Amino acid sequence: NAGVTQTPKFQVLKTGQSMTLQCAQDMNHNSMYWYRQDPGMGLRLIYYSASEGTTDKGEVPNGYNVSRLNKREFSLRLESAAPSQTSVYFCASSGWSVSTEAFFGQGTRLTVV
Amino acid sequence: SQQGEEDPQALSIQEGENATMNCSYKTSINNLQWYRQNSGRGLVHLILIRSNEREKHSGRLRVTLDTSKKSSSLLITASRAADTASYFCATDGITGNQFYFGTGTSLTVIP
Repeated sequence: NAGVTQTPKFQVLKTGQSMTLQCAQDMNHNSMYWYRQDPGMGLRLIYYSASEGTTDKGEVPNGYNVSRLNKREFSLRLESAAPSQTSVYFCASSGWSVSTEAFFGQGTRLTVV
Repeated sequence: SQQGEEDPQALSIQEGENATMNCSYKTSINNLQWYRQNSGRGLVHLILIRSNEREKHSGRLRVTLDTSKKSSSLLITASRAADTASYFCATDGITGNQFYFGTGTSLTVIP
């Protein structure tokens, strides 16, 4: 099993450009998450989807949108990239509740110039 | 922010020594988890402790939880160079639908 797959692994954007980060999981998990990781800040939750068809804001949702396309896929979109969005982005998934562990993708390193 | 904090931010020890790192969090929880992140990789789950548990063991890992102090500790015994990584605690937040991560402890184990 692949687990959680994120694409792309690396991306450089110019300020104002848009892009979508893709995430797919093959573990039949209900919940999926998008985090950003910045030096000294740990991981901060951007958006999450507790189940197919639902999405909710996390700690730092501004500047982002998400789509839970189906049970497997959860995408993160930057409509107009800003240098402050330079970060490493991680997608994760988990079972029915947070009483189970989260599985993480390998991350997308995004640079906005 | 609902983020927790790990302490210390960085820790350097000799191989064979024990490593202890602490986590403080802000809200009531159902569970607390610890994760490891190797450089340039995603996070990997280590251990979960429920709010009604005080201590849990898994191999060389020992986790304690004190809900009255809103704190947890992770002890790695007989450390190895391969334990070099960043370690994060994660709590499940007020509504229990999300994972909130702390700021991490960077552990270096010197061979």
